Amino acid sequence: DIQLTQSPSFLSASVGDRVTITCRASQGISSYLAWYQQKPGKAPKLLIYAASTLQSGVPSRFSGSGSGTEFTLTISSLQPEDFATYYCQQLNSFPRTFGQGTKLEIK
Amino acid sequence: EVQLLESGGGLVQPGGSLRLSCAASRFTFSSYDMSWVRQAPGKGLEWVSEISGNGRNTYYADFVKGRFTISRDNSKNALYLQMNSLRAEDTAVYYCAKVVALDWYSNLWGRGTLVTVSS
Repeated sequence: DIQLTQSPSFLSASVGDRVTITCRASQGISSYLAWYQQKPGKAPKLLIYAASTLQSGVPSRFSGSGSGTEFTLTISSLQPEDFATYYCQQLNSFPRTFGQGTKLEIK
Repeated sequence: EVQLLESGGGLVQPGGSLRLSCAASRFTFSSYDMSWVRQAPGKGLEWVSEISGNGRNTYYADFVKGRFTISRDNSKNALYLQMNSLRAEDTAVYYCAKVVALDWYSNLWGRGTLVTVSS
């Protein structure tokens, strides 16, 4: 099974900050990676697919990059509504594993 | 509105069974793979199972293999998860999600249904 490791697990930042979350895969997954945002009590929301394609309706301050085994999600200027937990998911093979999550908190 | 709506969750004793349903509306259900993803209280997301659009191909996480069965009825726009031999560690919110082919991401999720396994 492919393991995904996100770093950091917790991130404290302020409105307006630029933040980057990393997702590392235990083996190459090409660009088969998605990023999701989840707020408490809500379903996950797709942000990025195919490693770098922005889902329709998602603000352009979100961006994704990477291929192979290392991927990043960047939020260029944090907004109050961005404080949430972020997950990466590999879609290269079954089982479709998720990273452990990165909780983004207000500093 | 395009949506997914899960049902069937509840309290069940260890060793018991439960069948979850997911009703899809306003998209061509049979054209899409569908998946189940769960989230234990206070924990992260965990992929459980996926089924192809025609129902012929199914995939499972090792921790549910042999206990859970995913199925679908395209005539009813419905997805199911039959859960047998339930354990306390199966306690979670279970989400159904629509899978987009080729890149295999999930761009539509239900609100989830809570399954609690406890005596």
